[in-house]
Amino acid sequence: NAGVTQTPKFQVLKTGQSMTLQCAQDMNHEYMSWYRQDPGMGLRLIHYSVGAGITDQGEVPNGYNVSRSTTEDFPLRLLSAAPSQTSVYFCASSYSTGGYNEQFFGPGTRLTVL
Amino acid sequence: DAKTTQPTSMDCAEGRAANLPCNHSTISGNEYVYWYRQIHSQGPQYIIHGLKNNETNEMASLIITEDRKSSTLILPHATLRDTAVYYCIGAGANAGKSTFGDGTTLTVKP
Repeated sequence: NAGVTQTPKFQVLKTGQSMTLQCAQDMNHEYMSWYRQDPGMGLRLIHYSVGAGITDQGEVPNGYNVSRSTTEDFPLRLLSAAPSQTSVYFCASSYSTGGYNEQFFGPGTRLTVL
Repeated sequence: DAKTTQPTSMDCAEGRAANLPCNHSTISGNEYVYWYRQIHSQGPQYIIHGLKNNETNEMASLIITEDRKSSTLILPHATLRDTAVYYCIGAGANAGKSTFGDGTTLTVKP
């Protein structure tokens, strides 16, 4: 299994540009999440999904959109990039087994907005 | 999800046990305690989880107090490669909506 994969690894955008960060998992996990991590800080939840067709907002959803058309994929869209969105973005997936589930994280996408 | 509180940083001598505390006084009865670590800028890695009982795996031990308001992650013989940020999380059935705090930066010194 490849686990959780994210593309691209690095990206530089100009203010106002839009882009999509890709996330895929091959473990048939129900749950998927997007986090951002600013320098020296912990992870903050942007959006999450409990299954195909179902998404919900996390702590910091503004400026981001998500959709979940398949179990495997959970793309994150930046609508109009701003310098405040410069961060490292992590995607994670997890399964549900009797009330607990460990998350598997991707390697991250490092985004710089100029 | 439960709010957790961890010390900002800790040091540990190589070969000694590293004991990382976490307070989670608001944890509810069906929420598990999870520990993750993040080395450099990699994605966080799962270490261990528990509900009520103490747990041990090949990486670490988890001690949960009887009232479940706090826990301690124990790395029995810390190595330099254990230098990382350690996150304690309290989460229910959907850990995918977990809230990560700033964690504890553990520095293992020779």
